[in-house]
Amino acid sequence: DVKVTQSSRYLVKRTGEKVFLECVQDMDHENMFWYRQDPGLGLRLIYFSYDVKMKEKGDIPEGYSVSREKKERFSLILESASTNQTSMYLCASSFGQGDNEQFFGPGTRLTVL
Amino acid sequence: GENVEQHPSTLSVQEGDSAVIKCTYSDSASNYFPWYKQELGKGPQLIIDIRSNVGEKKDQRIAVTLNKTAKHFSLHITETQPEDSAVYFCATYPGYSTLTFGKGTMLLVSP
Repeated sequence: DVKVTQSSRYLVKRTGEKVFLECVQDMDHENMFWYRQDPGLGLRLIYFSYDVKMKEKGDIPEGYSVSREKKERFSLILESASTNQTSMYLCASSFGQGDNEQFFGPGTRLTVL
Repeated sequence: GENVEQHPSTLSVQEGDSAVIKCTYSDSASNYFPWYKQELGKGPQLIIDIRSNVGEKKDQRIAVTLNKTAKHFSLHITETQPEDSAVYFCATYPGYSTLTFGKGTMLLVSP
């Protein structure tokens, strides 16, 4: 079974802090994704990566950056956390082209105070 | 870019009833249409998908229909059970970039 793990289920940070959200997948998938999930807004793509050291902006990249130094690991970075970044963050991975199944992690509930 | 609209946002049914969730999309190049189910406390999981060369696909109690001319597709769940209660997301893939998701439908199945 494909497994996508995220470093924390719950995280509480203060405004202005630098926040790292880590995601690891164990199926050698080329593609990895970071989504943000908010009530009524569905899943919004922040960034995705189709290869090591490659990244593409999604629909809402402002205030976020990413890092993919190894194929299995994709990190989401909030350089200076703000209260409007309080949300559920979901990581996913997939093989090959965009018309393949995305496997999601359990999510990280981030609260910024 | 692609725009996906999903209705309804909330759907309540009695156990044993059928449930239908509908999505419309804007990009006629879209050729792949998956449906994901998100249970409480978990990430979304693919439950069924359909490609543009097929009009309908079934898997036990769930089915998806696609009307490419009208640019809409639907998820049908028959004989609903309490464990079907979840948030359901439709998505499309236009052949470039990545999936575009709808905003989700919360399905509540009452015993």
